[in-house]
Amino acid sequence: NAGVTQTPKFQVLKTGQSMTLQCAQDMNHEYMSWYRQDPGMGLRLIHYSVGAGITDQGEVPNGYNVSRSTTEDFPLRLLSAAPSQTSVYFCASRRDRGNNEQFFGPGTRLTVL
Amino acid sequence: GIQVEQSPPDLILQEGANSTLRCNFSDSVNNLQWFHQNPWGQLINLFYIPSGTKQNGRLSATTVATERYSLLYISSSQTTDSGVYFCAVGVVQGAQKLVFGQGTRLTINP
Repeated sequence: NAGVTQTPKFQVLKTGQSMTLQCAQDMNHEYMSWYRQDPGMGLRLIHYSVGAGITDQGEVPNGYNVSRSTTEDFPLRLLSAAPSQTSVYFCASRRDRGNNEQFFGPGTRLTVL
Repeated sequence: GIQVEQSPPDLILQEGANSTLRCNFSDSVNNLQWFHQNPWGQLINLFYIPSGTKQNGRLSATTVATERYSLLYISSSQTTDSGVYFCAVGVVQGAQKLVFGQGTRLTINP
């Protein structure tokens, strides 16, 4: 069991560039989510999905798109990167939308110049 | 929305000391997790503890949901315990979402 995996580990972008952060889990979890972590702060929810084909916005969704075509994958897209999106991004999953334990991937450190 | 406050924000201890980290939350929750973010940035699950008390080695946690707080105890601290400890509570808004506190930065000196 690899758990939650993320690629890439590090990325540097220029303002205006687009990219996709990849997230996959092999635990057959229905619920997946993306968080960002900024210096000295906790994690803030960007988007989440309760199953294939279903996504919804979290606390800080602006500038990010998501889709969920399979149970395993939940990519996060930055359409036009901005310096304010410099952050560490974490993907997470748990069994379902209810009350159960959530697990996090190793994170992607993104710098936008 | 719900507020999650962790205290103290910073804690510096010598190896072997014990510590208590606190998490207060402003509304009813049906889930609570403690995480350790190590110096490499990984988030490690410590406890899934909506209520009651759990122990895992030198670590234990207690959640009193009716009084809206949780405590994380670390005994006989080791340098590898250094890092940031996060409390996250589950809030049901459609699907349950985890809302994080700001963390407690723990430094264990040899």
